[in-house]
Amino acid sequence: KAGVTQTPRYLIKTRGQQVTLSCSPISGHRSVSWYQQTPGQGLQFLFEYFSETQRNKGNFPGRFSGRQFSNSRSEMNVSTLELGDSALYLCASARTGTSGTETQYFGPGTRLLVL
Amino acid sequence: AQTVTQSQPEMSVQEAETVTLSCTYDTSESDYYLFWYKQPPSRQMILVIRQEAYKQQNATENRFSVNFQKAAKSFSLKISDSQLGDAAMYFCAYRRSGNTPLVFGKGTRLSVIA
Repeated sequence: KAGVTQTPRYLIKTRGQQVTLSCSPISGHRSVSWYQQTPGQGLQFLFEYFSETQRNKGNFPGRFSGRQFSNSRSEMNVSTLELGDSALYLCASARTGTSGTETQYFGPGTRLLVL
Repeated sequence: AQTVTQSQPEMSVQEAETVTLSCTYDTSESDYYLFWYKQPPSRQMILVIRQEAYKQQNATENRFSVNFQKAAKSFSLKISDSQLGDAAMYFCAYRRSGNTPLVFGKGTRLSVIA
């Protein structure tokens, strides 16, 4: 079974631009979560989608948004990029995400550099 | 809000030796789950072990085991017979019962010395 895939793996943007990151979950998984990882703040939860609906949201500004498609693939969009948005963005999928013991499988991440 | 603290930013261990990574957490919940994730240089997060708070027995996965002290809100990871491939960042994570996101600690970088 293929794992979680994220595209692109690396991205360089300039301040003020917008960016879209993509995540394809493991086949059969309907929950997709996004996390931001930075050296200063560590791993922080952005949002989670399940069956095309945002089910949970972290404490990030409205510039960060996402969506999920009917095939469970998810995209994350960041508008008006700031230097502080430079980070590794990790996507994780789970079958339903409703059980605390359910394993979240992470993708390799997209490394975003904002200049 | 729940918080997870890993007080050791870096640790090192000799190959074949045992090392323990510390983690404490703060929560008022009684039903929750704890995890240790490994992040090697490839950056892919891999689940190492998990523990349900309602289980008194400490979880074990091959060379990895935990010491779960619920009253002390402590959740340490012991790696036995350390191997070079164990070198990575290790993150302790907490998750409340139900559909909730993972809350991660800042991580501990483990080096394994040959």
